[in-house]
Amino acid sequence: DTGVSQDPRHKITKRGQNVTFRCDPISEHNRLYWYRQTLGQGPEFLTYFQNEAQLEKSRLLSDRFSAERPKGSFSTLEIQRTEQGDSAMYLCASSLLGAGRYGYTFGSGTRLTVV
Amino acid sequence: LAKTTQPISMDSYEGQEVNITCSHNNIATNDYITWYQQFPSQGPRFIIQGYKTKVTNEVASLFIPADRKSSTLSLPRVSLSDTAVYYCLVGDEGGKLIFGQGTELSVKP
Repeated sequence: DTGVSQDPRHKITKRGQNVTFRCDPISEHNRLYWYRQTLGQGPEFLTYFQNEAQLEKSRLLSDRFSAERPKGSFSTLEIQRTEQGDSAMYLCASSLLGAGRYGYTFGSGTRLTVV
Repeated sequence: LAKTTQPISMDSYEGQEVNITCSHNNIATNDYITWYQQFPSQGPRFIIQGYKTKVTNEVASLFIPADRKSSTLSLPRVSLSDTAVYYCLVGDEGGKLIFGQGTELSVKP
């Protein structure tokens, strides 16, 4: 297993366009998290899944954001009608239920630039 | 969730010991103290976790006083490759990770 993979690594899009990011977690991990990170700030929690169920969504996740994990494996994060304020690094992490706070494995992120 | 406060930035030189202190005055009984490290263009990675007293691993030591209202991450003999952002997080074992602003450590030759 090569860890958590995120695709694409970089995305430049025009304001108003829709974008979709993919995250492939470590195969045996049943929890998957999405975070957003802007320059100079720590990662902000967006949402997490346990298997295919989305168990929590942050207030940061506006109606333009949607995340899925259809078969409990990979996950997608879609942003509709992108705005310049959506420019950030989007990080995915996975963990095994019960592994604790040390068991998170993060991907290298998808850097989104909205022009 | 307990809020943490840590210095925004620190400078050090190669070979020195670096201590980063984190304040968490409202820590709850069930909360653990976890430190993550993040290099540029990478996701954070786990360094060390503790509940009380002292924890040591091959990378760092974590000192937690009896009142648990603060903790200190100690990095022995830092090198240039330790230049990164260090995050102090507090929460219970089953809780999601909530990051603050972190401490940007710059190690100079």
